[in-house]
Parts: sequence; C-alpha cells; structure tokens
Amino acid sequence: QKEVEQNSGPLSVPEGAIASLNCTYSDRVSQSFFWYRQYSGKSPELIMSIYSNGDKEDGRFTAQLNKASQYVSLLIRDSQPSDSATYLCAVKGAGSYQLTFGKGTKLSVIP
Amino acid sequence: SQTIHQWPATLVQPVGSPLSLECTVEGTSNPNLYWYRQAAGRGLQLLFYSVGIGQISSEVPQNLSASRPQDRQFILSSKKLLLSDSGFYLCAWSQGETQYFGPGTRLLVL
Repeated sequence: QKEVEQNSGPLSVPEGAIASLNCTYSDRVSQSFFWYRQYSGKSPELIMSIYSNGDKEDGRFTAQLNKASQYVSLLIRDSQPSDSATYLCAVKGAGSYQLTFGKGTKLSVIP
Repeated sequence: SQTIHQWPATLVQPVGSPLSLECTVEGTSNPNLYWYRQAAGRGLQLLFYSVGIGQISSEVPQNLSASRPQDRQFILSSKKLLLSDSGFYLCAWSQGETQYFGPGTRLLVL
C-alpha cells in the first residue's frame, strides 16, 4: 500500500514569514512529486513538480526532494494571507498513471 | 490552452437514485483522464482512469462506473447512489507527468 503522509496542521505563520510544509512517502520507486494548493471549496491547483533530488525554485515557492530519506517539502517565502489554503503532496511511481495524495496540510497565514 | 469542464457544479440526490457526472477537456487530444473523489476528512481517492476511448481502469471496487465515449469526454455514473457516495468529485487530465484538475462536482446524497 503506497502511502503519503503529511501533518494535517493547521500550520499558522505570520505574514511575511517562511512556511515549511513536509511530506513523506513509502514507495521507494516513486519518481515524480507534486505540490497542489486547494482553497476551501475549490479544486486542487498545481504549484510545483519536482523529479530530481535537490531544490527547485519558482517565485516564492521552493520544493525540496530527498529520495534517500523519502521526503519532499515545500517552502513558501514571504507568506501572504492569500497563501492560506490546504497544501496537498502527491507522488507518482515510474510508469504509473496513479497519483497518490496525502491528506493535506492546512496553512493559515496570519496578517 | 487547455480547459477542463465539469457539470453539474453541485448536486443533491436521494439514496437509490442514479447519477451521471460529465467531464470534458478542450484544447488537447488523446489526454489521459481521471476521476477522483474527495470525501470530508479524507484524501483524494482515484476512482477511475482512462488512456483512450473505451479504455477504463478501475482503482476501487464500488457501485460507480465510468465511460469514455469520446476522446475528450469522461462520464462517471451510478445506478443507485449510497449515502457513502457523498463527496467532491474531481475530474483531471494529463498528457505527461502532471495532472490538472477540473472545478469539481459537489455531491450530497440524502
């Protein structure tokens, strides 16, 4: 059974701070990793994908992947109230169509 | 650019009634298509996926079924709804590694 674990939160950070969201996965052969943001009542929207060990930056967002530790994280710099949402980590195995999702971490950015 | 549509947006149905949810994708051809369900307090659960017309793979045995009558159309159906079918139903598409979600249908079974 493939599992993706996330701290459900809520994670509260003050406006302007760095928010750090973490995710661990059980399937060692996982190849592709994704972070989605889901506002309350809305569908998930893709923030970032990462495929190789290390960091990947896109604007205020940085994804970090450590396959040896089976760990992927998302850093949000200069957090804004509009970043308040649930963040979903998703993992995909090589040659697989299926994304396995974590239950999400709820982030609250306090003005 | 690609666009994905789902309808209806919300639906309230009695137990035992039938269901038909529709998803269409614009701006691409031969996408992979997916149906997910997100129940309250639970993660996204993949229900069905399709790599082509008439090709459906089921991930979870249940009273739901899916069909893909056209390249960019994906339909989720049930003959008799259960209370446990309530949830947020999401259609997604992909042509590579990344999946993109539609706006979703919120289903409440009473």
